[in-house]
Amino acid sequence: AQSVTQLGSHVSVSEGALVLLRCNYSSSVPPYLFWYVQYPNQGLQLLLKYTSAATLVKGINGFEAEFKKSETSFHLTKPSAHMSDAAEYFCAVSEGDSGGYQKVTFGTGTKLQVIP
Amino acid sequence: DAGVTQSPTHLIKTRGQQVTLRCSPKSGHDTVSWYQQALGQGPQFIFQYYEEEERQRGNFPDRFSGHQFPNYSSELNVNALLLGDSALYLCASSLASVSTDTQYFGPGTRLTVL
Repeated sequence: AQSVTQLGSHVSVSEGALVLLRCNYSSSVPPYLFWYVQYPNQGLQLLLKYTSAATLVKGINGFEAEFKKSETSFHLTKPSAHMSDAAEYFCAVSEGDSGGYQKVTFGTGTKLQVIP
Repeated sequence: DAGVTQSPTHLIKTRGQQVTLRCSPKSGHDTVSWYQQALGQGPQFIFQYYEEEERQRGNFPDRFSGHQFPNYSSELNVNALLLGDSALYLCASSLASVSTDTQYFGPGTRLTVL
């Protein structure tokens, strides 16, 4: 069974500082991995996804994540935090099949606070 | 190009009532998945519909049922509402022929059960 663990339910960083949000996954097959962002009272927006191509994945808004199979990790980073990055971030894993079925399992989320 | 739309935005019901939530997928998508997001939690998979049939189901009771129409839109029905059913219900759409396809999420329906 697939699962996702996000370390730290709340992370605070200063504006301009490095953002690091941690995600570890468990999967019985090569996984597809995602990071989504959710702003208050809104749905989820895809930041980036890993589908077994390059291990370093670049996403929108300056975010990127590195797939490390040996560590079963997919941490999200951004070199310099902006106030607009304050939101909740969800890591997710999917074990898709050839029929296109995707059951996506989400982590419990990390709320990012950016301090001016 | 319209994204995923959901209606209504907010809904208030009382215990024991029934509710229907609606979702229209992103243009070109044929698969709809439903998720429940309780306050402070990540989304939990309820079920997925493709070709008007339920393909997979998460760990939710039979009180939760759904339907997909020929135009790929979908409904989520919840019977005999409980206080614990209060949550944000998210719909996501994707294309079945692309196994790595991204699920695009709608803004959600906020259900409050009193």
